[in-house]
Amino acid sequence: EPEVTQTPSHQVTQMGQEVILRCVPISNHLYFYWYRQILGQKVEFLVSFYNNEISEKSEIFDDQFSVERPDGSNFTLKIRSTKLEDSAMYFCASTPLVNTEAFFGQGTRLTVV
Amino acid sequence: AQSVTQLGSHVSVSEGALVLLRCNYSSSVPPYLFWYVQYPNQGLQLLLKYTTGATLVKGINGFEAEFKKSETSFHLTKPSAHMSDAAEYFCAVSSSGSARQLTFGSGTQLTVLP
Repeated sequence: EPEVTQTPSHQVTQMGQEVILRCVPISNHLYFYWYRQILGQKVEFLVSFYNNEISEKSEIFDDQFSVERPDGSNFTLKIRSTKLEDSAMYFCASTPLVNTEAFFGQGTRLTVV
Repeated sequence: AQSVTQLGSHVSVSEGALVLLRCNYSSSVPPYLFWYVQYPNQGLQLLLKYTTGATLVKGINGFEAEFKKSETSFHLTKPSAHMSDAAEYFCAVSSSGSARQLTFGSGTQLTVLP
């Protein structure tokens, strides 16, 4: 069964460093998303991406964040200068159409020290 | 605006007992409702969803949920718990079914006791 894959499963980074989280969505899907879950808190929407551009973003997704689909298969989330409060589980998701349920990856746990 | 409240961050049941995980939502438009499950070290997997039509929705692994508009609830049930059901369960609401508008609850950790 096709699945969304995320790498790495766990990343530790120093405060102020740039980090890139990688996702490979399901191959025929067109819409891509990032969500995050800070420990003990709710899963929160960050950004949606379609046709090589951001279609919607939340207030969490500030200038420190960016997304890219560099090669037609990967979908990346970059955090330019990490802060301690960026520590969270980051989930990638994809959908074939805009109003269909999301398929989520297993998440990347980011720890900023 | 939409929101989801899951009552009980931790629920424990004995193997073979009824599982009941509670979810209440608020939405200014008719909602689309979802239950996701997360097993350790795995992603969020869709258990079931309600969009329109029949209010009793059956999902995978013997789970079902009933949409009750008058109670703004979408509780998840399973008649007989299995050890493999131990996981975290998330209720989510969307105003359109679109993943970009999913609002999640805070999750309920289900423990199944032998």
